[in-house]
Amino acid sequence: GENVEQHPSTLSVQEGDSAVIKCTYSDSASNYFPWYKQELGKGPQLIIDIRSNVGEKKDQRIAVTLNKTAKHFSLHITETQPEDSAVYFCAASMGYGQNFVFGPGTRLSVLP
Amino acid sequence: KAGVTQTPRYLIKTRGQQVTLSCSPISGHRSVSWYQQTPGQGLQFLFEYFSETQRNKGNFPGRFSGRQFSNSRSEMNVSTLELGDSALYLCASRTEGLNYGYTFGSGTRLTVV
Repeated sequence: GENVEQHPSTLSVQEGDSAVIKCTYSDSASNYFPWYKQELGKGPQLIIDIRSNVGEKKDQRIAVTLNKTAKHFSLHITETQPEDSAVYFCAASMGYGQNFVFGPGTRLSVLP
Repeated sequence: KAGVTQTPRYLIKTRGQQVTLSCSPISGHRSVSWYQQTPGQGLQFLFEYFSETQRNKGNFPGRFSGRQFSNSRSEMNVSTLELGDSALYLCASRTEGLNYGYTFGSGTRLTVV
């Protein structure tokens, strides 16, 4: 089955700097890759997603890139703010009607 | 638009007991999935229901079961609780179509003592 790895497990950046989190997946049939942010005491919240027919997607300070050949995708957060501090999860899915396989998570701390 | 609602938020149960967790999806969402979240294992898929039928199932023992009602509300049940079942149980709903993303509830924190 699908396996998703995520690095780093923890990441500390200064406010205003950029943060990058990388994930790799094992099954080339996966075609949908969402990213979730989980704050303390809350459920994961979808922040951005990308499908396999797209190489990059951007939404304000957040962007995701996908390299299908290498089977990896990355989350880029620019101009980080303290409210970006949370645990971030990547996931992979084979599409319609299929469950998500999540990475182990990255704890991001943005230091003021 | 109301989000995904899970009840109760917290539960404490004793080993050997059983527990039922409830989830009300976003209105119009017919797909409901359940995930178990623990510090050691991360987010693990339990099962997904669509139109009252179990569509997918993860690798959990038969003590974990679920169901979905005609109004899309879902329940999951864990029988003969073990200490290792202590976790945050997350319910997520999604609409069908190109937008596959889940909307998660805040979860039910189950502690087995």
